[in-house]
Formats: sequence, structure tokens, C-alpha cells
Amino acid sequence: LAKTTQPISMDSYEGQEVNITCSHNNIATNDYITWYQQFPSQGPRFIIQGYKTKVTNEVASLFIPADRKSSTLSLPRVSLSDTAVYYCLVGDIGIYNQGGKLIFGQGTELSVKP
Amino acid sequence: DTAVSQTPKYLVTQMGNDKSIKCEQNLGHDTMYWYKQDSKKFLKIMFSYNNKELIINETVPNRFSPKSPDKAHLNLHINSLELGDSAVYFCASSHSNRGLGYGYTFGSGTRLTVV
Repeated sequence: LAKTTQPISMDSYEGQEVNITCSHNNIATNDYITWYQQFPSQGPRFIIQGYKTKVTNEVASLFIPADRKSSTLSLPRVSLSDTAVYYCLVGDIGIYNQGGKLIFGQGTELSVKP
Repeated sequence: DTAVSQTPKYLVTQMGNDKSIKCEQNLGHDTMYWYKQDSKKFLKIMFSYNNKELIINETVPNRFSPKSPDKAHLNLHINSLELGDSAVYFCASSHSNRGLGYGYTFGSGTRLTVV
């Protein structure tokens, strides 16, 4: 499984756009990129998943360059409630959708201030 | 209506005791997992069950024994608890046939404190 590297922490202010970049230099052809969000005292929550280019949903956007060696999670206009840990995961969706394991890295602790 | 529910939410117990954590999912998923999150926030998989069959068993002491009576339930029993077992334990579930855009659903966790 490809190893991921993310900033340990980031600070932002309400209303700003936040971009969290994840490096995954050893990403394999069959690997997808998935982001999870974890609030204090809760389990991780799936945010977004992509393979290449750009994916957008109601929560975030995911930008993946052509070489796929990194990805950027973009949170538009963050609020205080977006304060959480954000995890980037890379793996073969076919494996972990068949009972394979998600490998969580250290995550990025985002702190949104008023 | 909670999708993945774990009980208890908090568990404080003495070293050497035996305890169980229960997990139930009402999502119709066929795969369930136990993850352990330590004080440094690292999440590590412990076990994975697909349709009641154990398919992943990471390097976990055999004091930990999962049991899946049916595909909606996955319980974790821990014998002879040690101080190092203190952590938050998360149950999760997924559907093995779900495709792109889908992720795991996690419970809210059980905070185990061994004193």
C-alpha cells in the first residue's frame, strides 16, 4: 500500500478556503485516493474519493494531478465545525471494498478559528 | 437511527479483567472491522470479518478475540486486560460490492481505560 505524507497540522479562519495536500509518491495503478474526516470523540467519516483529475461533492473537492503522486483536499469557506483531523488514504478500492484494510496515516489536524 | 452502534461508549476497568465491546450495524453491510486508535491518534486495523468469516487478523495479541454471530454484529472480547490496551476502539462496516465513491462507516468508538 502506498505511503502517504500530510502536514501534521493547519490553522485557518472561518470563511477561508482550506487546501490540504497529501503526497503519495508510490501510488499504484489500481489505487484510489480517499479522504476521511474525524471529529473529536467520533469515528472517521468518509468525505470524498477519486482516481484522477477532479472530484466534487457537497462537502469538498479533490484535485489529483496527472501523475497522481499527490492530491489536494479543498474545503470551501470553512466554519468552526470543520475543525477536525483529515486523513488521506491510498489503496486498491477493489481490495478494501472486499474486506481489505484501510491504512490510516497520521492525518492533518485542522483548526478553524473565528 | 444509528448506522453503526457500539456499546459501551466508555469502559473503565482494572488490569487483569475480561471485558467485551459490542457492535451492530443496520446498513445491510457484509463486512465489519475493529480498529484501535491510540493516544497519538493513529488508527490501526485489528480484525475484519466478511459474512461472519474472519478475513483479516493483524498482529494482535490472542487476548483479543472477535466474534461475529451474524453479519450485522461483530463483538470484541478482551481477556486479561493490560494498561497498554487503553485506547479508543472503533467498529466499522462496509459493503464488499460497493464501487467508487463509497467508504467505510464507523461507529462513534468505545474509550477503554485500564487502571
